[in-house]
Amino acid sequence: ETGVTQSPTHLIKTRGQQVTLRCSSQSGHNTVSWYQQALGQGPQFIFQYYREEENGRGNFPPRFSGLQVPNYSSELNVNALELDDSALYLCASKQGLNYGYTFGSGTRLTVV
Amino acid sequence: GESVGLHLPTLSVQEGDNSIINCAYSNSASDYFIWYKQESGKGPQFIIDIRSNMDKRQGQRVTVLLNKTVKHLSLQIAATQPGDSAVYFCAEIEGGANSKLTFGKGITLSVRP
Repeated sequence: ETGVTQSPTHLIKTRGQQVTLRCSSQSGHNTVSWYQQALGQGPQFIFQYYREEENGRGNFPPRFSGLQVPNYSSELNVNALELDDSALYLCASKQGLNYGYTFGSGTRLTVV
Repeated sequence: GESVGLHLPTLSVQEGDNSIINCAYSNSASDYFIWYKQESGKGPQFIIDIRSNMDKRQGQRVTVLLNKTVKHLSLQIAATQPGDSAVYFCAEIEGGANSKLTFGKGITLSVRP
């Protein structure tokens, strides 16, 4: 059982809507990353936060945004949902300069 | 652009046999590599890692080999068990611990009883 929990586990949204996904990182982990995993593909990096500031971003449009708060929680917000946003969204956290990320089980988002 | 990829999409092995999962990477600047296992409905689970200044690292029943000359990474699983059935990803990091993970597409390992 990992120390990273994500909510909700499943979600269905309509195209054009907005969604907020949540992640509770493992205690002591000050770095959190979000990944999008399409069916049959490897996870793709969305962005990363270190001590509540974004310190890396992948090839995703600005309608993908996020935040990290001091209690090891993080959010991923997606505006103006598109059908192609349907995927498993994974949160991963780690401590400081360690390389070892711990992943949550993800949120399965379906856009209809 | 740079990418991490896997040679084969699926691998079927007999229970008890050894498994070898291969991965090719193209970013010669990557300094850290990780193998992840992902079971259905779960997030990726760390298996083993290796730094770019090493060529071999062993864990419990698993061994990772890194050949930087041909940019090749492999995961060896000894005495494969039904519980090893999952999708396996290789991932790389370039630029230090605060850099992103770049994943390949994944290979499905199926263990026959």
